[in-house]
Amino acid sequence: EDKVVQSPLSLVVHEGDTVTLNCSYEVTNFRSLLWYKQEKKAPTFLFMLTSSGIEKKSGRLSSILDKKELFSILNITATQTGDSAVYLCAVKGTYKYIFGTGTRLKVLA
Amino acid sequence: EAGVVQSPRYKIIEKKQPVAFWCNPISGHNTLYWYLQNLGQGPELLIRYENEEAVDDSQLPKDRFSAERLKGVDSTLKIQPAELGDSAVYLCASRSASSPGELFFGEGSRLTVL
Repeated sequence: EDKVVQSPLSLVVHEGDTVTLNCSYEVTNFRSLLWYKQEKKAPTFLFMLTSSGIEKKSGRLSSILDKKELFSILNITATQTGDSAVYLCAVKGTYKYIFGTGTRLKVLA
Repeated sequence: EAGVVQSPRYKIIEKKQPVAFWCNPISGHNTLYWYLQNLGQGPELLIRYENEEAVDDSQLPKDRFSAERLKGVDSTLKIQPAELGDSAVYLCASRSASSPGELFFGEGSRLTVL
């Protein structure tokens, strides 16, 4: 059965800290892995990864995929209170997107 | 360009009542998804449309849930009758065939069944 597992489930840090969020997967016919940020509204797209070892960066956020070990990490450096959200990992198979339960990040001022 | 539009944003009903949610995807997006998201969980697929055809409805509880996308554009998800356990956020998402990766989500419809 296809599954996506995220860890930790929740995390509390202080502003300025660096965090690493993990996503491991077992999905048939892997096509891509996506990261989303969800505040109290629609999930917003962060990254899509298809190739191993190629880091994607956007400001203080970065992500990388390891297709051999079947996992991805999302790094956030110099965290800010605005980074507080649930971060969802999704893996796309042939047609389906399988989501993890998310990591709830809270950044304290 | 307008994003995925959903309505209503919030709905409170009593159990056994019917409820309907509407979704208008991004223009030109032929693939439309309805997801259910329980508190503290990731989205779970209910149904996927390619144009007007429901190509994956294996997770849709067909005894009480139904969906349609008659003209291959906007879509309606209906629950009749609603049960207490249906309280959740119902998310609609769409994707373009020319951009096969990213899903674009609407803001969701939060249902509370009393």
